[in-house]
Amino acid sequence: KAGVTQTPRYLIKTRGQQVTLSCSPISGHRSVSWYQQTPGQGLQFLFEYFSETQRNKGNFPGRFSGRQFSNSRSEMNVSTLELGDSALYLCASSDGLATYNEQFFGPGTRLTVL
Amino acid sequence: ELKVEQNPLFLSMQEGKNYTIYCNYSTTSDRLYWYRQDPGKSLESLFVLLSNGAVKQEGRLMASLDTKARLSTLHITAAVHDLSATYFCAVEAYKLVFGAGTILRVKS
Repeated sequence: KAGVTQTPRYLIKTRGQQVTLSCSPISGHRSVSWYQQTPGQGLQFLFEYFSETQRNKGNFPGRFSGRQFSNSRSEMNVSTLELGDSALYLCASSDGLATYNEQFFGPGTRLTVL
Repeated sequence: ELKVEQNPLFLSMQEGKNYTIYCNYSTTSDRLYWYRQDPGKSLESLFVLLSNGAVKQEGRLMASLDTKARLSTLHITAAVHDLSATYFCAVEAYKLVFGAGTILRVKS
C-alpha cells in the first residue's frame, strides 16, 4: 500500500499571503488529521476530517481551515500568513472507525514565512 | 486538558549502555503511541500500546504502559549509533497529544 503523501514538500511564502497544503491518505483510510510542528510549541493538533466533515478541532485561529474531498484527500489552508506560521505541517491518516486509530504520518510540508 | 510530559528532553549515551525514557500523562487513557523522528523527517510509528500492562519490543527498544500510574517507558538496551533520533510519546484522546520529545544522541 502506498503511504500518506503530502504536497508540496517545501514552500516559501511572505507575510500576508495564503497557502494551501494537500494530503492524500492511505487508500481506504477515511480520517485525515493535521498537525503543526514548531521548535517552540512542539507537535500540536490542528483538526481532523472524516468522511468530508470536520470531526475535531484544535486551538488554532480561524485563519487555519481545512476540507476533505469525497476521495478522502484533504487540504489545509492558512490565510494571512504570519511569521509564526513557519512550521512543519504533518498530516496523518487512519481508518477512523476502530476503537483506537493508529495514525500514519506523511512526510510533511515545510512552510517558511518571510 | 490532557498533558503529556517526557523526560529527559535530551539524552546523550555511550554505545552499549542502557537507558529509559519516561512519559507521564495527566488523564486516564489506555492508548499510547511511541514515534521516532529523524532530523527533517516525518514521524515513524514504533509502538502502539493499548492496555494496562502492555509491553512491546522491537530490536533494542522495549515499550511498556502502566495506565494506573499514567506512565509509559521506552527502554533502550545496548544503544547503537543508529538509534540517534528524537522520540515522542503521544496519548490518544480523540486527537494525539504529544510529549515534547526526547533527543537521543548515541556516542561511539
